[in-house]
Amino acid sequence: DAGVTQSPTHLIKTRGQQVTLRCSPKSGHDTVSWYQQALGQGPQFIFQYYEEEERQRGNFPDRFSGHQFPNYSSELNVNALLLGDSALYLCASSRRGVDEQFFGPGTRLTVL
Amino acid sequence: RKEVEQDPGPFNVPEGATVAFNCTYSNSASQSFFWYRQDCRKEPKLLMSVYSSGNEDGRFTAQLNRASQYMSLLIRDSKLSDSATYLCVVNLSNDYKLSFGAGTTVTVRA
Repeated sequence: DAGVTQSPTHLIKTRGQQVTLRCSPKSGHDTVSWYQQALGQGPQFIFQYYEEEERQRGNFPDRFSGHQFPNYSSELNVNALLLGDSALYLCASSRRGVDEQFFGPGTRLTVL
Repeated sequence: RKEVEQDPGPFNVPEGATVAFNCTYSNSASQSFFWYRQDCRKEPKLLMSVYSSGNEDGRFTAQLNRASQYMSLLIRDSKLSDSATYLCVVNLSNDYKLSFGAGTTVTVRA
């Protein structure tokens, strides 16, 4: 039974560029949440997708956007990258109505 | 005040010792509580959900005090493999968002 998968593992971009990160949820899960984790901090909620709609959003600017596909996989897009966007981006999946979330290995983004 | 606060540690303990650490959260109406562990440069992994009456999972015991908005995790008979950062996690507003503390670092030495 595959867990949550994310790609790519690592990414290096320069300021102003755009990036797309991908996530496939655990089998049987239909909900995907994205988090940003800066060094030494806990993960911060970006948004959650369910039924291909953004269901809730955290305190992140509109430069952060996402999408969920009919097979429940999801993408996170970040436009106009800033140095401060350098972080570990984590995708978590869950089942509808269940709070417990299971995380993928993350994508480590470095913005130069 | 931060929404979820933890003592960052580090807690440095010998094998076989008992270690306990705490977490406070900002919303008394919160309903869902968890502890996750995170190894260096890895993803958080669910350790246990926390229930009102407190619960145990092997060597790990979680307690919740809703009146004081406080939860704790106790690890008995520490193993080297328990070395990790432990994240206190709360669904503060009973919506879809999990709020994480910054983590408590535990190092178990031989």
